[in-house]
Amino acid sequence: DQQVKQNSPSLSVQEGRISILNCDYTNSMFDYFLWYKKYPAEGPTFLISISSIKDKNEDGRFTVFLNKSAKHLSLHIVPSQPGDSAVYFCAASGSGNTPLVFGKGTRLSVIA
Amino acid sequence: DTAVSQTPKYLVTQMGNDKSIKCEQNLGHDTMYWYKQDSKKFLKIMFSYNNKELIINETVPNRFSPKSPDKAHLNLHINSLELGDSAVYFCASSQGHLGNTIYFGEGSWLTVV
Repeated sequence: DQQVKQNSPSLSVQEGRISILNCDYTNSMFDYFLWYKKYPAEGPTFLISISSIKDKNEDGRFTVFLNKSAKHLSLHIVPSQPGDSAVYFCAASGSGNTPLVFGKGTRLSVIA
Repeated sequence: DTAVSQTPKYLVTQMGNDKSIKCEQNLGHDTMYWYKQDSKKFLKIMFSYNNKELIINETVPNRFSPKSPDKAHLNLHINSLELGDSAVYFCASSQGHLGNTIYFGEGSWLTVV
């Protein structure tokens, strides 16, 4: 039972354009959401997070939007750069003894 | 100056063998984890230790035994390796247990032949 879903396994975007990666979750107890980026042969690295008390968090070219009523979050990257090409994992957790639950990842390819 | 380091990075071994993967973190975190990424690319938690105490043990076969000699180390020992154990194993750590941002090691690619 996937509590965190990333329905697009891959996404291709032209350099300079916006990349939008989507994530849906089913557990209404989740209150903290994160995005991780993973290059081949490396571990996932933390990118940006958002808590459920906010609906937007911005860090440079990266912005995460949270729509609690739709149980949906998205990561916007603008402008996209070739170095952004990686697999992006969405993760979520709830308060208490709940571990991070990860989505399956979306492979982003930014084409020069 | 790797924050979470795990060794070996690549391991090829025969069925039935026993192997260990070591993990160390120098972030001063009090919680460490082992995650497994299988062939379907799902990243799933296996174990979590907080201050050397086991706090999460997902449905993982008894052949997998984590050992935490201190807060900075969490090693994973696997007995009687099976083909299905082939996966990438990621060690991770965080400050405070669960629900916080976790930091991953680079992964250990285990192939059982």
